[in-house]
Amino acid sequence: GEDVEQSLFLSVREGDSSVINCTYTDSSSTYLYWYKQEPGAGLQLLTYIFSNMDMKQDQRLTVLLNKKDKHLSLRIADTQTGDSAIYFCAEVNGQNFVFGPGTRLSVLP
Amino acid sequence: GAGVSQSPSNKVTEKGKDVELRCDPISGHTALYWYRQRLGQGLEFLIYFQGNSAPDKSGLPSDRFSAERTGESVSTLTIQRTQQEDSAVYLCASSLSLEDYEQYFGPGTRLTVT
Repeated sequence: GEDVEQSLFLSVREGDSSVINCTYTDSSSTYLYWYKQEPGAGLQLLTYIFSNMDMKQDQRLTVLLNKKDKHLSLRIADTQTGDSAIYFCAEVNGQNFVFGPGTRLSVLP
Repeated sequence: GAGVSQSPSNKVTEKGKDVELRCDPISGHTALYWYRQRLGQGLEFLIYFQGNSAPDKSGLPSDRFSAERTGESVSTLTIQRTQQEDSAVYLCASSLSLEDYEQYFGPGTRLTVT
């Protein structure tokens, strides 16, 4: 079946870059997403990438997709304390969304 | 405009009781989704609606779970004879259409079954 995996924790220092990794299994996924979840808030869509792309940049966010290895990463440049949250990777094929367990990013001063 | 709202925000219920969770999507959004997030786990997709139709109910965890939607507005997720393993945050999301993959999430309903 489909499965999305992420490491559960990441700590970085303020100002450094954060790289959150994700692997997925469904090679027919059409879109891959990154969501951010802050405490007490709903999920916020950060960015998404079509499966026929290998990179997408949006301000401080860079998404890299290696379709051959089914590996997706989210890089946050100049990480700030406000970036502390849980980041979910998700793959979708048709209407079937599968989310990873989330990576808790802690930003240290 | 208003985002997706859910009620109640918190619900504590005794094992065996029925609960009803409500979701108000963004006005004009035809697609609506329900997810479950158990403690320390990722999101689990439950069901989606296109208008008031739910073509695929296979994501619902058991036959104690049901969902319905009135037109293109409010949706309710009902859990009958709740069990402790039903304890989770239930998240609702809506999007303009099924073809629009940008989903807007509500704050969730935290369900605790004692």
